[in-house]
Amino acid sequence: GQNIDQPTEMTATEGAIVQINCTYQTSGFNGLFWYQQHAGEAPTFLSYNVLDGLEEKGRFSSFLSRSKGYSYLLLKELQMKDSASYLCAVRDSNYQLIWGAGTKLIIKP
Amino acid sequence: EAEVAQSPRYKITEKSQAVAFWCDPISGHATLYWYRQILGQGPELLVQFQDESVVDDSQLPKDRFSAERLKGVDSTLKIQPAELGDSAMYLCASSLALWDSNTEAFFGQGTRLTVV
Repeated sequence: GQNIDQPTEMTATEGAIVQINCTYQTSGFNGLFWYQQHAGEAPTFLSYNVLDGLEEKGRFSSFLSRSKGYSYLLLKELQMKDSASYLCAVRDSNYQLIWGAGTKLIIKP
Repeated sequence: EAEVAQSPRYKITEKSQAVAFWCDPISGHATLYWYRQILGQGPELLVQFQDESVVDDSQLPKDRFSAERLKGVDSTLKIQPAELGDSAMYLCASSLALWDSNTEAFFGQGTRLTVV
């Protein structure tokens, strides 16, 4: 079966750095996405990785290792507004999106 | 900025009643998804369209759920009869095309359904 694993919940301090991991086992691979979802709202796109390595976008970076079936989202200079759930999704060989359950990130002052 | 439109935002219905949700994707987006999301979980795909054709409805409870996208643009998801366990957020998303792997899906604001 297809599976995506993320930690259920993480806590970090305002101004700090946090890394949210995602491991996946899917039928093929056509890219990995990270989305942010605030409580009661729709997911919004953060990043896309299809090749190994690091993609940087402002305070957010995403890393991919296809051989390890592993990705992480790195958030720097954390702000209170970063409190949200972070969803990892993989597009499989049939171009279907497989979603993780999300990681709830709690930012403390 | 173009966005995915969904209505209604909130819906309260009694069990055994019928309920319908509407979605208008971003103009030019051929792929449309309907997801159900329960609090604390990731989105669960119900049905995926490429233009007016169903690509995947393997997780759609077809005894009570139906979806259509007649002209390949907007779409309707219906539940009849609604059950208490259907209470969830129903999200619609769209993307340019199924085969463009690097195009992200854009989500609408969702419909929060409560069945009482």
